[in-house]
Amino acid sequence: EAGVVQSPRYKIIEKKQPVAFWCNPISGHNTLYWYRQNLGQGPELLIRYENEEAVDDSQLPKDRFSAERLKGVDSTLKIQPAELGDSAVYLCASGDRVKNTEAFFGQGTRLTVV
Amino acid sequence: AQSVSQHNHHVILSEAASLELGCNYSYGGTVNLFWYVQYPGQHLQLLLKYFSGDPLVKGIKGFEAEFIKSKFSFNLRKPSVQWSDTAEYFCAVRTNTDKLIFGTGTRLQVFP
Repeated sequence: EAGVVQSPRYKIIEKKQPVAFWCNPISGHNTLYWYRQNLGQGPELLIRYENEEAVDDSQLPKDRFSAERLKGVDSTLKIQPAELGDSAVYLCASGDRVKNTEAFFGQGTRLTVV
Repeated sequence: AQSVSQHNHHVILSEAASLELGCNYSYGGTVNLFWYVQYPGQHLQLLLKYFSGDPLVKGIKGFEAEFIKSKFSFNLRKPSVQWSDTAEYFCAVRTNTDKLIFGTGTRLQVFP
């Protein structure tokens, strides 16, 4: 079975440009997380979904970041406009709350804003 | 606010040395505890987890961790490290509201 799939793997954009990341979680997983990981730091939660509902978006900078999870499956995370400080690795993870599994992570998208 | 502290930011060991990485968390409720590993160029992978029962849990590749509730700790151990254990290690706590919080990570370098 495929794991969590993220695309693109790498993205370089100029500041003030928009960017979007896509995540396909493991089939059947109702919980989906987006994390941001800065160099030398641990992942920091941006938003968590249970099915299509965002249940925790308290750490999402809502002035420039948005996310959606239509139909409770795939998810996209968007930044508009990007700033230099947004350079980081954006991680998607999924889990099965009913089965109480751990979170499974994708490879991440490395964003560089220049 | 809930948090996870990893005391060792960078650990350097020779092969066959013993390893212990510290992890403490601040949360008074029921928790699930995890150690994840990130090998160079790879994604985060689960090393081991604790949900309930025996507080000494064994994971993959000879790793184990002990949950000490009174100390809010979940330290990772391995009796004899190998060069292939070179990686970054993250402790994580999931609260009873399903919030999954990570520590800042410990970079382990093992030299042959």
